[in-house]
Amino acid sequence: GESVGLHLPTLSVQEGDNSIINCAYSNSASDYFIWYKQESGKGPQFIIDIRSNMDKRQGQRVTVLLNKTVKHLSLQIAATQPGDSAVYFCAENIRWGYQKVTFGTGTKLQVIP
Amino acid sequence: DTEVTQTPKHLVMGMTNKKSLKCEQHMGHRAMYWYKQKAKKPPELMFVYSYEKLSINESVPSRFSPECPNSSLLNLHLHALQPEDSALYLCASSQDRLLSGTGELFFGEGSRLTVL
Repeated sequence: GESVGLHLPTLSVQEGDNSIINCAYSNSASDYFIWYKQESGKGPQFIIDIRSNMDKRQGQRVTVLLNKTVKHLSLQIAATQPGDSAVYFCAENIRWGYQKVTFGTGTKLQVIP
Repeated sequence: DTEVTQTPKHLVMGMTNKKSLKCEQHMGHRAMYWYKQKAKKPPELMFVYSYEKLSINESVPSRFSPECPNSSLLNLHLHALQPEDSALYLCASSQDRLLSGTGELFFGEGSRLTVL
């Protein structure tokens, strides 16, 4: 299953399928991008990040793709599990000693058992 | 379990009350943040403290007053709030990215505030 972020805030996928969550960012000065997962009643949790000088980065069952030309970010989750059900936010970060992190709208992922 | 601790978890206050939200971390992080999150919306940055100094105030109304007593503690003092200020208030901390190379924010579970 695949979402287009702002235009499809809820993504439903079958357990075991791959999920793709999309995000468009706005600030050309952003040099660092992060995906966060937020489960109900909890704070956001870091999933994976990518620097602007990279196109792809892989983690455990997750891959982030960055297309700077069109300012687009995607999160791919392989073999989606019920525990992946949450709201996923992309965030862009401008490089300072501290982080100025701006969150995107978010996509709710629902995994169907 | 999160390493950023926020208290209280829930707070109900009247518009004339004065209350405070507290946040604590012991990871040695030198940047701390307050975010506000309304239901079904992304977190919105309010304040950033870097090395105990206020670095960013995102045009937050003065009825919200942040304080960073030391590198481990962050407070948010609340006074004369409005019902529309009801939200989840999230605290986060991070390492100095120029030193660590990583930009990860560590979030607490949040304080859910209701203003009557």
